[in-house]
Amino acid sequence: NAGVTQTPKFQVLKTGQSMTLQCAQDMNHEYMSWYRQDPGMGLRLIHYSVGAGITDQGEVPNGYNVSRSTTEDFPLRLLSAAPSQTSVYFCASTKNIRGANYGYTFGSGTRLTVV
Amino acid sequence: QQQVKQSPQSLIVQKGGISIINCAYENTAFDYFPWYQQFPGKGPALLIAIRPDVSEKKEGRFTISFNKSAKQFSLHIMDSQPGDSATYFCAATYGSSNTGKLIFGQGTTLQVKP
Repeated sequence: NAGVTQTPKFQVLKTGQSMTLQCAQDMNHEYMSWYRQDPGMGLRLIHYSVGAGITDQGEVPNGYNVSRSTTEDFPLRLLSAAPSQTSVYFCASTKNIRGANYGYTFGSGTRLTVV
Repeated sequence: QQQVKQSPQSLIVQKGGISIINCAYENTAFDYFPWYQQFPGKGPALLIAIRPDVSEKKEGRFTISFNKSAKQFSLHIMDSQPGDSATYFCAATYGSSNTGKLIFGQGTTLQVKP
């Protein structure tokens, strides 16, 4: 049982390049989300998904794209990297049970630098 | 618009002391308030959580105090230990909406000195 697995752990991109941050969970969690963490700003929601085939925008979606073709995987795509996207990215998942809340399981993060 | 405001930004406490971190929220629709603990190089991990129908929840040395009328909640760490040194995030969500969107505070870096 690996939990939430994020790859890569570190990445350096040049401005304008594109890339995909991978996220996979093996807990059969319906709900998955992507956050970015910046100093003094906490974690901000980029995109989330309440199940396979369903995605929606969070607080800071611009410049990012997601898809959810399976329950297990939720990749985050940077379309044209900008220095403002330098951040630590976290993927998280949880059960999605109506009327209840469960703690999120976070991955260990991807540290992205855009130069 | 910062829906969840957290203070202080950093905190230094002596071993054995009490660490207190405060959060305030704006939206009365929030109905679930978790705290997350994050160690360097790791993702956040759920520490303790509370619903607004109770005023306090305690788990070991960690206690959440909740004031619904003031729209504030706080984390108290009793008998703070060096191993508690980490970044702490409060959060809030609309559990009943079933979207699972979690709104985080800005974070507090806690250092417990031996």
